[in-house]
Amino acid sequence: AQSVSQHNHHVILSEAASLELGCNYSYGGTVNLFWYVQYPGQHLQLLLKYFSGDPLVKGIKGFEAEFIKSKFSFNLRKPSVQWSDTAEYFCAVNSYNQGGKLIFGQGTELSVKP
Amino acid sequence: ETGVTQTPRHLVMGMTNKKSLKCEQHLGHNAMYWYKQSAKKPLELMFVYNFKEQTENNSVPSRFSPECPNSSHLFLHLHTLQPEDSALYLCASKGQGSRSGANVLTFGAGSRLTVL
Repeated sequence: AQSVSQHNHHVILSEAASLELGCNYSYGGTVNLFWYVQYPGQHLQLLLKYFSGDPLVKGIKGFEAEFIKSKFSFNLRKPSVQWSDTAEYFCAVNSYNQGGKLIFGQGTELSVKP
Repeated sequence: ETGVTQTPRHLVMGMTNKKSLKCEQHLGHNAMYWYKQSAKKPLELMFVYNFKEQTENNSVPSRFSPECPNSSHLFLHLHTLQPEDSALYLCASKGQGSRSGANVLTFGAGSRLTVL
């Protein structure tokens, strides 16, 4: 079945540690890729997106993600996390082959210890 | 504030009640969405409306009934729900075309529903 997979359900890091959250999708054809973040008690907000062009995209708050087409992956990275990055992170894929529906992964909860 | 407003933020209802969730967007978008967010599960797309017309019903039970009177408002009518329907219901909207931010969903804060 077509899906979006986030490999890590819960990640716990200390401040200043580096972060990489995995995201793989199984859709073929042209895709748009997104990472959303949901801080505790807040709404989902866009962290970054990839539509075309440079596969390394930079988002807000020092986050970046790399689209590797051959691996169907769009991993999220940050060199040095802060306590304020504690949140749930969702990868999402919009596939033209799926009628443009935005399909989400199950989310990764990130806890950053001060 | 994201420009997408959902009310109520919290709702507790019995299985025989009828209630409605409301979503309003002030972004000039023409597509609106209902998603269900349950713990430890991916966000589930429920309904999609484009220019007030329903274009997606993702096999949602009939106890959930959407209504989109215009491009700025979206409702989710609820009746005879089950306890497993307890979740956070998210509304989102999306613009189209070549404007900056087009094709990106903007979410509301959600309505937390508890079914007793």
